Amino acid sequence: DGGITQSPKYLFRKEGQNVTLSCEQNLNHDAMYWYRQDPGQGLRLIYYSQIVNDFQKGDIAEGYSVSREKKESFPLTVTSAQKNPTAFYLCASSKDWNQPQHFGDGTRLSIL
Amino acid sequence: AQSVTQLGSHVSVSEGALVLLRCNYSSSVPPYLFWYVQYPNQGLQLLLKYTTGATLVKGINGFEAEFKKSETSFHLTKPSAHMSDAAEYFCAVTKYNQGGKLIFGQGTELSVKP
Repeated sequence: DGGITQSPKYLFRKEGQNVTLSCEQNLNHDAMYWYRQDPGQGLRLIYYSQIVNDFQKGDIAEGYSVSREKKESFPLTVTSAQKNPTAFYLCASSKDWNQPQHFGDGTRLSIL
Repeated sequence: AQSVTQLGSHVSVSEGALVLLRCNYSSSVPPYLFWYVQYPNQGLQLLLKYTTGATLVKGINGFEAEFKKSETSFHLTKPSAHMSDAAEYFCAVTKYNQGGKLIFGQGTELSVKP
């Protein structure tokens, strides 16, 4: 079955530590996205990539970094500069800009 | 700037009753509109989408939505609620020059009472 796989499902970060969230898709989609979800705030876009080796900042990119070296993969690093990283992180992909986005099952990040 | 407003962060209905979840958007150009559903600790699943053409859109699980340009609305309805419909619902919008960026509403949590 084609889909999006996010790992790990749960992640804990220590103070001053960078952590990386994995997102892999086998849907042959060109575009990939990272969202942050906080209670009562909907989803906010962190970064997105429309093609390999290219990505753009979303609305809340500060404290995060991404790479897009392969079509299938779009990892997100939460750096120590992100002072409030506790949230549910969702990765998505789509074939084109006007096509629905397909979502992974998310990674819940907490602070130790 | 584009925005999406979902009226009511919590909606409660009885099983078998009509479900109506409201979504209004602001956009200066024709939008592409989506409704997604999210079950606890899961990702979002597409319910339905409006791109062009027929303004009444049918989706999965018996849901439908109507695009009303004059009212800038895209309300989600289902004639008869089922217990399994209890979840959080998100309305989202994008347009041709947004590169696929979705703007989401804040979500509406639907509760279904037996």
